[in-house]
Amino acid sequence: DTAVSQTPKYLVTQMGNDKSIKCEQNLGHDTMYWYKQDSKKFLKIMFSYNNKELIINETVPNRFSPKSPDKAHLNLHINSLELGDSAVYFCASSQGAGSTDTQYFGPGTRLTVL
Amino acid sequence: AQSVAQPEDQVNVAEGNPLTVKCTYSVSGNPYLFWYVQYPNRGLQFLLKYITGDNLVKGSYGFEAEFNKSQTSFHLKKPSALVSDSALYFCAVRDIGSSASKIIFGSGTRLSIRP
Repeated sequence: DTAVSQTPKYLVTQMGNDKSIKCEQNLGHDTMYWYKQDSKKFLKIMFSYNNKELIINETVPNRFSPKSPDKAHLNLHINSLELGDSAVYFCASSQGAGSTDTQYFGPGTRLTVL
Repeated sequence: AQSVAQPEDQVNVAEGNPLTVKCTYSVSGNPYLFWYVQYPNRGLQFLLKYITGDNLVKGSYGFEAEFNKSQTSFHLKKPSALVSDSALYFCAVRDIGSSASKIIFGSGTRLSIRP
């Protein structure tokens, strides 16, 4: 009964490769997010989708491209991976895009770029 | 611009003692404040939030937080710490004037409860 799930849990790859991380939520939420947590545990939002529409796009290299095929899924594709992309990536969802909506997080995907 | 600060990287408390994890914020309007906990190799779990009303908010696992507008603080508290409370705690803030979904997280405070 996992509410927000991500695959894979671990991803180890070489520089220059292209990889994708998938996220699914079964909470019936309208809004989904991608966050990046660096090695110092600092957490920063990257993207947010509401009803499959992009509503937040922070200063992220255009090598990162989110895709939302439907409200329950938000995938993250990364082209030409770099060493600095190594981090833990968290997906989250909330009922709506409002300021009071609580966000619920997935377990994270640990990406290691060699 | 909105911001949130967690002044302590680490807090150490003996089991059974009260604990406080500090958080201060800066927003242009009224704040919406959140606390999350992250256990090792896990995602963030929601603990509690302040939207409006009573300044003392009760949340999961016996935690509570007190909103103090004059001091722009939202400290997390628990009367009696458990070893299982050891984790990384994040304070987060939105303000009413911000874009719909953007939430700013603090840098995190590692809470260590010794038996």
